[in-house]
Amino acid sequence: SYVLTQPPSVSVAPGQTARITCGGNNIGSKSVHWYQQKPGQAPVLVVYDDSDRPSGIPERFSGSNSGNTATLTISRVEAGDEADYYCQVWDSSSDHRGVFGGGTKLTVL
Amino acid sequence: EVQLVESGGGLVKPGGSLRLSCAASGFTFSNAWMSWVRQAPGKGLEWVGRIKSKTDGGTTDYAAPVKGRFTISRDDSKNTLYLQMNSLKTEDTAVYYCTTEEGYCSGGSCYPGPFDYWGQGTLVTVSS
Repeated sequence: SYVLTQPPSVSVAPGQTARITCGGNNIGSKSVHWYQQKPGQAPVLVVYDDSDRPSGIPERFSGSNSGNTATLTISRVEAGDEADYYCQVWDSSSDHRGVFGGGTKLTVL
Repeated sequence: EVQLVESGGGLVKPGGSLRLSCAASGFTFSNAWMSWVRQAPGKGLEWVGRIKSKTDGGTTDYAAPVKGRFTISRDDSKNTLYLQMNSLKTEDTAVYYCTTEEGYCSGGSCYPGPFDYWGQGTLVTVSS
């Protein structure tokens, strides 16, 4: 089955740029979606189809995807961005089953 | 405004059954693909399964750990999604989220999409 690998944690100072990676075999050939989950809350879609943003999501959130790595970039990080972030793809080799990365805890220093 | 409200969670013994419901509003439920995603305590997200819209065949897909034990269904007349869980195991303990999935079929192929709206979740605890 397809595996997505994320770093367990990323730390960044306010105002700086956070980059959260998601590794997978030839992930560049898939559409990657990113979710933000704050403690005690349901996840929220922040980037879909590699780099598109749903309405209401700040432009500070952007995504890219190439080769074996997809990246969620959060510019001008704010305290309110502190959360867990998950990448997700569909595994076309197994009837389009959903696959999530293990999640990355973003800490704003 | 899209709203998804799960219900039916609770404590159940291993080997038991439980049915979760998800009441949907604010969008055309019958046209939507719907998925269930779960999260074990302190763990990450895990896709459970989906049901496509009847227009796209109404078929279901399941994750390997639940296939054969869980069944997803929908009642478009009631705007409600269901998850029937049988032969429950302790490892099924999790918060279960109902989500919309922005998928579609075209030209004989189907294209799954992101989970764009989520409910608040309902906790299922499997314990003796």
